[in-house]
Amino acid sequence: DAGVIQSPRHEVTEMGQEVTLRCKPISGHDYLFWYRQTMMRGLELLIYFNNNVPIDDSGMPEDRFSAKMPNASFSTLKIQPSEPRDSAVYFCASSLSGGRTYEQYFGPGTRLTVT
Amino acid sequence: AQKVTQAQTEISVVEKEDVTLDCVYETRDTTYYLFWYKQPPSGELVFLIRRNSFDEQNEISGRYSWNFQKSTSSFNFTITASQVVDSAVYFCALGEGGGAQKLVFGQGTRLTINP
Repeated sequence: DAGVIQSPRHEVTEMGQEVTLRCKPISGHDYLFWYRQTMMRGLELLIYFNNNVPIDDSGMPEDRFSAKMPNASFSTLKIQPSEPRDSAVYFCASSLSGGRTYEQYFGPGTRLTVT
Repeated sequence: AQKVTQAQTEISVVEKEDVTLDCVYETRDTTYYLFWYKQPPSGELVFLIRRNSFDEQNEISGRYSWNFQKSTSSFNFTITASQVVDSAVYFCALGEGGGAQKLVFGQGTRLTINP
C-alpha cells in the first residue's frame, strides 16, 4: 500500500513568494496532520483535520499560514508571503480512528528553503 | 501542560553494545498514549511503538524493548546488540486529549552506532 505522499520534496523560493505544499494521506485514513520540524523548535503540530474538517489549528504560527483539505485524499499547506524563518521540513501524517488508532504515519517531508 | 523530555541529546556507542534512550513525560490526563518514532538519516519518521496509559507491560520486538513506568512517568527504549543501521534520531511522543491525536514530541535523541 502507498504511504503518505508529499510534494514537492524540496522547495526553494524567495522571500515574499507564495508556497504551496501538498499531501495525499493513506487511503481510508480519516485524520490528517501537518507538522513542521526545525532545529530550534523540533517537531511542532501545526494543524490537524478529521474527516476533512480542521479540528485544531492552534499551532499555525500566523495568518500567513493556511491549510485546506477539500477531500479525503488531498490537503494543502500554503504560506503567503513566505519568510526566511519559514525554512523547515514540513511533514504530513495521517492516521485511522478505531482499530490501530492514534498511530500516525508520516510522509517523507518537504524541505522548504526561503531565501 | 503536556511535555516530553528526552534528556539525552546525543548518544554514541560501539556496535553490539546495548543502549537505552530515556523519555520522561508530564500530563494531567489519566488516559494518554506514548509513542516512539525513528528518524533515520533519510529524514522520514518511522512509527515504532504505541503504548496506552493503562498497559504497563513491557514490550519486546526483536532487539527493541520498551519499559513503561507510570510511577516515574517514564517510557524508556532499549536497543540490544546495537547495529550501525540503528543510527538515527529517536523521538518520544505523548498523545494528549481523549482522542490522543494531538502529539507532543520530545526534542529527540541522536543515536550513533559506530562500527
